[in-house]
Amino acid sequence: DVKVTQSSRYLVKRTGEKVFLECVQDMDHENMFWYRQDPGLGLRLIYFSYDVKMKEKGDIPEGYSVSREKKERFSLILESASTNQTSMYLCASSTAAVYGYTFGSGTRLTVV
Amino acid sequence: QQQVKQSPQSLIVQKGGISIINCAYENTAFDYFPWYQQFPGKGPALLIAIRPDVSEKKEGRFTISFNKSAKQFSLHIMDSQPGDSATYFCAASMGGTASKLTFGTGTRLQVTL
Repeated sequence: DVKVTQSSRYLVKRTGEKVFLECVQDMDHENMFWYRQDPGLGLRLIYFSYDVKMKEKGDIPEGYSVSREKKERFSLILESASTNQTSMYLCASSTAAVYGYTFGSGTRLTVV
Repeated sequence: QQQVKQSPQSLIVQKGGISIINCAYENTAFDYFPWYQQFPGKGPALLIAIRPDVSEKKEGRFTISFNKSAKQFSLHIMDSQPGDSATYFCAASMGGTASKLTFGTGTRLQVTL
């Protein structure tokens, strides 16, 4: 069963900490995405990557960075966590040959 | 700016009824319109999708209706079942299957017995 795996289901971090959210896909997909999901706001794109070592800003990149050193892994980094970054973070992957994203189950991050 | 507007925010439908969720978009360059279904504790999963060259697509009890001139599309769930209770997101993208998706704000559907 193909899948996108997010390393943590729940995380609690302190304000100012550097936070790493990890995502791994086993489908050899070229494209990977990070979204955050907030009630009433839907899913908003933070960053995406179409290839290894390549990244592009999404709609809300401020306060975030990403890393893609290997095709299967896409990491989201919160440089200095703030309380307004408390959210559900969803990783997804896709390939040009097939319509649709495959999402991970999400990481619920709480910044206190 | 919100490029895809979704309504209603929540919906309660009786078992056997028809659930209808609407979306409107602004960018006429969008050429792919999927719907995603999300159950609690899970990531969204692709349910059904449509391209603008057709006005309707049906898969089982799920139908997308697309109105290009009005820049609107909707999801109809026929014979709604309690197992359909979930959050539904419409989305849109342009430039092919690999392009980034812009999502609506979501509709929480509850199907009652």
